[in-house]
Amino acid sequence: RKEVEQDPGPFNVPEGATVAFNCTYSNSASQSFFWYRQDCRKEPKLLMSVYSSGNEDGRFTAQLNRASQYISLLIRDSKLSDSATYLCVVLRNSGNTPLVFGKGTRLSVIA
Amino acid sequence: GAVVSQHPSRVICKSGTSVKIECRSLDFQATTMFWYRQFPKKSLMLMATSNEGSKATYEQGVEKDKFLINHASLTLSTLTVTSAHPEDSSFYICSARDQLNYGYTFGSGTRLTVV
Repeated sequence: RKEVEQDPGPFNVPEGATVAFNCTYSNSASQSFFWYRQDCRKEPKLLMSVYSSGNEDGRFTAQLNRASQYISLLIRDSKLSDSATYLCVVLRNSGNTPLVFGKGTRLSVIA
Repeated sequence: GAVVSQHPSRVICKSGTSVKIECRSLDFQATTMFWYRQFPKKSLMLMATSNEGSKATYEQGVEKDKFLINHASLTLSTLTVTSAHPEDSSFYICSARDQLNYGYTFGSGTRLTVV
């Protein structure tokens, strides 16, 4: 079983739509969780961290369920500029440890 | 914010030659850097963890003699792809953690094409 699993998509949605991405992780000792965004042929960029209480940043809402080892990202009022690959990312444990990436979910927002 | 400079951004080389990729932390000290590889439409896969002043730790399945990592200073880590083959063509990217703010910063990546 992969350490981080995501639905690869693609998700093709019209502008203004709400879209949700899901992710599961296998290592129950994982400490921290993130969503990154990656544009084609570019490095990944941090979108937001994910906290157990849930957190929101503008049109983006992230949720974490530690019991189910499940992470989600909700994007409201999709914009054309949201088109990208969204990566679910887990930090194995505290300290100087690497980020572990899911395969990513491809989103295309269509006019 | 923290910046990691990665060079070259793009390289084309012949089979059998070696290619060196550099990652440099510009405004912070990186005792550890992480090297990833990403094939088209695939996830970023961790290749190795580079530790300043000591040997790198390689992930299972990654040949340490083929992918040589050197982390001789607190600001520079290099990955050398030795005797490159077309199947080594990929997007290589480094990441370092800023010890002050605990954020992970990525280099801009190197697109390697072996012909």
